[in-house]
Amino acid sequence: EPEVTQTPSHQVTQMGQEVILRCVPISNHLYFYWYRQILGQKVEFLVSFYNNEISEKSEIFDDQFSVERPDGSNFTLKIRSTKLEDSAMYFCASSGDREGEKLFFGSGTQLSVL
Amino acid sequence: GESVGLHLPTLSVQEGDNSIINCAYSNSASDYFIWYKQESGKGPQFIIDIRSNMDKRQGQRVTVLLNKTVKHLSLQIAATQPGDSAVYFCAEKRSGGFKTIFGAGTRLFVKA
Repeated sequence: EPEVTQTPSHQVTQMGQEVILRCVPISNHLYFYWYRQILGQKVEFLVSFYNNEISEKSEIFDDQFSVERPDGSNFTLKIRSTKLEDSAMYFCASSGDREGEKLFFGSGTQLSVL
Repeated sequence: GESVGLHLPTLSVQEGDNSIINCAYSNSASDYFIWYKQESGKGPQFIIDIRSNMDKRQGQRVTVLLNKTVKHLSLQIAATQPGDSAVYFCAEKRSGGFKTIFGAGTRLFVKA
């Protein structure tokens, strides 16, 4: 069964450093997302990406965040200057449904900012 | 503001019993509702969905009920099994938007 894959599974970084989280969505999907979850709490929407541009973003997704789909398979989230409060589990998701209704999530990248 | 919340953070049931997980939503503009299951160390997994023009939808061992009058959503799991132990999130979305909003989650424990 097709699945969303994320790398790395764990990322430890120093405050102020840049990190790139990588995702390979399901191949025929058109809608791509990043969500995050802090300490097993609510899953928070960060950004959606469709037709090679950001379609919607949350207040969390400020100027230190960016997303890119550099080729036909990868989807990345970059955090330019990490802060302690960026520590969380980051989930990539993709959808093939209209407007991205049914989401398929990866297993996540646990980001720890020290 | 937008929010999707759950009444109970933890639910413990006996194996074989039916489970009911409840959720309240506040955004009247939402017209699509979803239940996700999250097992330890994994991302959320789609279980079942329902649109606002429906009151009930059934899947395999799961049923979702939607009461738009009181903005209430529930997930019923029949004959709960140990493999059903997980955190369950309700989520909402509105047509024309790309964002799915998740509730706080209910942890389901299944006792053997």
